[in-house]
Amino acid sequence: GAVVSQHPSRVICKSGTSVKIECRSLDFQATTMFWYRQFPKQSLMLMATSNEGSKATYEQGVEKDKFLINHASLTLSTLTVTSAHPEDSSFYICSARDPSEGYGYTFGSGTRLTVV
Amino acid sequence: AQKITQTQPGMFVQEKEAVTLDCTYDTSDPSYGLFWYKQPSSGEMIFLIYQGSYDQQNATEGRYSLNFQKARKSANLVISASQLGDSAMYFCAMRGHYGQNFVFGPGTRLSVLP
Repeated sequence: GAVVSQHPSRVICKSGTSVKIECRSLDFQATTMFWYRQFPKQSLMLMATSNEGSKATYEQGVEKDKFLINHASLTLSTLTVTSAHPEDSSFYICSARDPSEGYGYTFGSGTRLTVV
Repeated sequence: AQKITQTQPGMFVQEKEAVTLDCTYDTSDPSYGLFWYKQPSSGEMIFLIYQGSYDQQNATEGRYSLNFQKARKSANLVISASQLGDSAMYFCAMRGHYGQNFVFGPGTRLSVLP
């Protein structure tokens, strides 16, 4: 089945530094990828839609300058958390859909970000 | 606007028994898709089952079946013959006809007891 690879799975960084999270679609091309954020014991909240070759679409309330999204190829989208602060600590997860695999969207394994 | 409601924050079920996880939704889209995902403690989201709003029959995938009642706007997940490995968070989600992203419900934590 379709596989979405997300890296790193865990990262700890200092306040004020930037962290890049990669999301790759394996064996299929994804013109669109989605980035979600999940706080402990809560549901997934869509942050932004990443579009290959064009600007990402951000959900209301998500700071585009803080959460930089780049979708430079059909198989790779990156989320960069800039000038991270402890309140950015969360679980970030991406997803994409392989049209040949039916209706289900495949999710990456997620990245647990801790800002200290 | 789309909304998913899961009224059961937590559920317990005995191993080998069946369990139903509730999901109701609200949308004005003429067509839509309903999904169930499982999230174990490791965090990954595992796709379980899909139901299209115009599908005449309820979806089934192995031990998972979706009890779709369109008039009531409900899409309950039924897990038959529960296994210990079924213990996880379960999310109901919806995608509207004109959108590609999902709206997720708050989730239900299922615990399977030996």
